[in-house]
Amino acid sequence: DQQVKQNSPSLSVQEGRISILNCDYTNSMFDYFLWYKKYPAEGPTFLISISSIKDKNEDGRFTVFLNKSAKHLSLHIVPSQPGDSAVYFCAASANTGNQFYFGTGTSLTVIP
Amino acid sequence: SAVISQKPSRDICQRGTSLTIQCQVDSQVTMMFWYRQQPGQSLTLIATANQGSEATYESGFVIDKFPISRPNLTFSTLTVSNMSPEDSSIYLCSGIADNSYEQYFGPGTRLTVT
Repeated sequence: DQQVKQNSPSLSVQEGRISILNCDYTNSMFDYFLWYKKYPAEGPTFLISISSIKDKNEDGRFTVFLNKSAKHLSLHIVPSQPGDSAVYFCAASANTGNQFYFGTGTSLTVIP
Repeated sequence: SAVISQKPSRDICQRGTSLTIQCQVDSQVTMMFWYRQQPGQSLTLIATANQGSEATYESGFVIDKFPISRPNLTFSTLTVSNMSPEDSSIYLCSGIADNSYEQYFGPGTRLTVT
C-alpha cells in the first residue's frame, strides 16, 4: 500500500512561472516531510523539509506547505528556471532515523 | 552533508549470477540504507544496514537474496544474489547523520539482468 502518493507523474511550466508539485499521505503518524530532486543518472538530493509542527517552510525560491488535516503537502518553486527540470520526490517519516516512505515522483519540465 | 559514492554505476548481468554493490560515505553516518527503484516506481527500502550486525530487512526482502554487510560506519555492500530479470532496477544506498532526518543518497547502481 502506497503511503505517500504523487498523483501527477509529470508537470510542464514556463520559465519564470510558478511550479506546484503535490503530495498526499495516508499515515497520520508521519511527522517529518522532505522533498528530493533527482537528475538522470544521479541519486536524489535533499531539497527542503518541513516538520509537522509547521505549516510552511521557505528556502529561497522553494517553499513547502503542509496541510495536516488534509494530509497534503506541496512544493512551490517561484520563479521556475530551466535548471529546475528534474524528478521531484516527496518523502515522509514517523521518527528520526526511521524508514522514509517515498512517493513515485513528479517529472518537472521548465520550458525556456 | 555527506557525499556518498557507489560502485559500479551500472552493470549488465546474466540470470543466476550475483552482483555486489559497494557504498562509501565520506563521513560517519549513523544509519545506512539500501533502496531499490524499479522503473516508474518510488524508492522502496530494502533494508537498514547495521554496523557489525545483521541488516534489518523490510517486508518482501530476505537476507539470502540481498545479503548486506556494514563493517564500519562509512562502508556497506549489498549483494543481489541469483539474479533474475525482475531484479533489474536502480539500487541506491543512503546515509543519515545522528539525530537528523536529512538522508543523503549515492548516485545509484543501474542493474540490468538478461
